[in-house]
Amino acid sequence: KAGVTQTPRYLIKTRGQQVTLSCSPISGHRSVSWYQQTPGQGLQFLFEYFSETQRNKGNFPGRFSGRQFSNSRSEMNVSTLELGDSALYLCASSLAPTSGRLPDTQYFGPGTRLTVL
Amino acid sequence: AQTVTQSQPEMSVQEAETVTLSCTYDTSESDYYLFWYKQPPSRQMILVIRQEAYKQQNATENRFSVNFQKAAKSFSLKISDSQLGDAAMYFCAYRSAITGAGSYQLTFGKGTKLSVIP
Repeated sequence: KAGVTQTPRYLIKTRGQQVTLSCSPISGHRSVSWYQQTPGQGLQFLFEYFSETQRNKGNFPGRFSGRQFSNSRSEMNVSTLELGDSALYLCASSLAPTSGRLPDTQYFGPGTRLTVL
Repeated sequence: AQTVTQSQPEMSVQEAETVTLSCTYDTSESDYYLFWYKQPPSRQMILVIRQEAYKQQNATENRFSVNFQKAAKSFSLKISDSQLGDAAMYFCAYRSAITGAGSYQLTFGKGTKLSVIP
């Protein structure tokens, strides 16, 4: 099976612009989560989507948004970019929950390195 | 809210020796998962080992094993016969096992940078 794929791998933007990142989960996985990784804050949860619905959102401003499509692919968007948005953005996928129980593992993609100038 | 603490920002080990990375966590839940992820310089986050809280037996994966102490909320990773390829950042992570508000996310520790000395 192919792993989680993220595009683009690298991105350079300037302040005030907006950006869209894409994530394709492992085939059969219906849950997609996004994380931001910075040297200062470490790994922080952004949001999680399952069945095209946002199930969980981290403590980020409204400039950060996302969506999931019917094929489970997900995109995240950051509007009005700030210098502090420079980070590695990681996407992770997992199987769907069953009987109210979460699957045990999230598998990560290679990440998108966003640099804001 | 759950928290995960890794008290060792950096560690080093001689090649072929054994090293143990520490992790403690805080939660009021009884059913959860714990993970160790490895992030090499390539930045790809790789699952090393996982543990289900209701299983008393410690998980093992080849040279990697954990010491899970549920009452003490401790989850350490032991790497035996260390290899140069083990050099990476290691993150301890927590995830609830039951669906509900806030349950889907992984909560990570700050990480431990492991260096392997030839």
